[in-house]
Amino acid sequence: GAVVSQHPSWVICKSGTSVKIECRSLDFQATTMFWYRQFPKQSLMLMATSNEGSKATYEQGVEKDKFLINHASLTLSTLTVTSAHPEDSSFYICSAPTGGSLDTEAFFGQGTRLTVV
Amino acid sequence: GENVEQHPSTLSVQEGDSAVIKCTYSDSASNYFPWYKQELGKGPQLIIDIRSNVGEKKDQRIAVTLNKTAKHFSLHITETQPEDSAVYFCAAPSHISNFGNEKLTFGTGTRLTIIP
Repeated sequence: GAVVSQHPSWVICKSGTSVKIECRSLDFQATTMFWYRQFPKQSLMLMATSNEGSKATYEQGVEKDKFLINHASLTLSTLTVTSAHPEDSSFYICSAPTGGSLDTEAFFGQGTRLTVV
Repeated sequence: GENVEQHPSTLSVQEGDSAVIKCTYSDSASNYFPWYKQELGKGPQLIIDIRSNVGEKKDQRIAVTLNKTAKHFSLHITETQPEDSAVYFCAAPSHISNFGNEKLTFGTGTRLTIIP
């Protein structure tokens, strides 16, 4: 399958600081990428849809000023958690569909475990 | 939007036996149903998917069945092995995004444990 690489795999930061997570499609171009958050023993919750060359689309209840998304190229999307607080500690995962049809396979990155202390 | 229900939430199976996980969805327009396997501390891995033009798809020990009339689909793992132990998620498209890629709504997950 296609490869989606996410970096870093884990990060610990102090409360009030910002953290940037990168998501790269290594062997295909992705005009769209999706960012998810997963709390322990829970399912994946979609946070936002990252669109290359335009603004991200955020799901209801997700603060766009807190979770900044940039999709500057067809292979890279970044999620920046600004002014992080302990409640932002979670497992963040990106995914990218390999094509533009309605039934395209989506592949996931390895995830980033964020711990805010 | 799409609503996906998955059960059971936990499943323990003796090694060598079969495991079945079931999901239902609400949007009759959905046409693509992937299954993901997630190991501890890792991202989900696509293991099999099915499109609405077929009722069953098989890949070695893994199979997925789809009943569009009843709006449910199931994952079947035969001859289970210890390495099959993981959390499994079903998913269905929620709605079409502006760029043509459908967002996935995930089930709540099934923690599968294979007992040696």
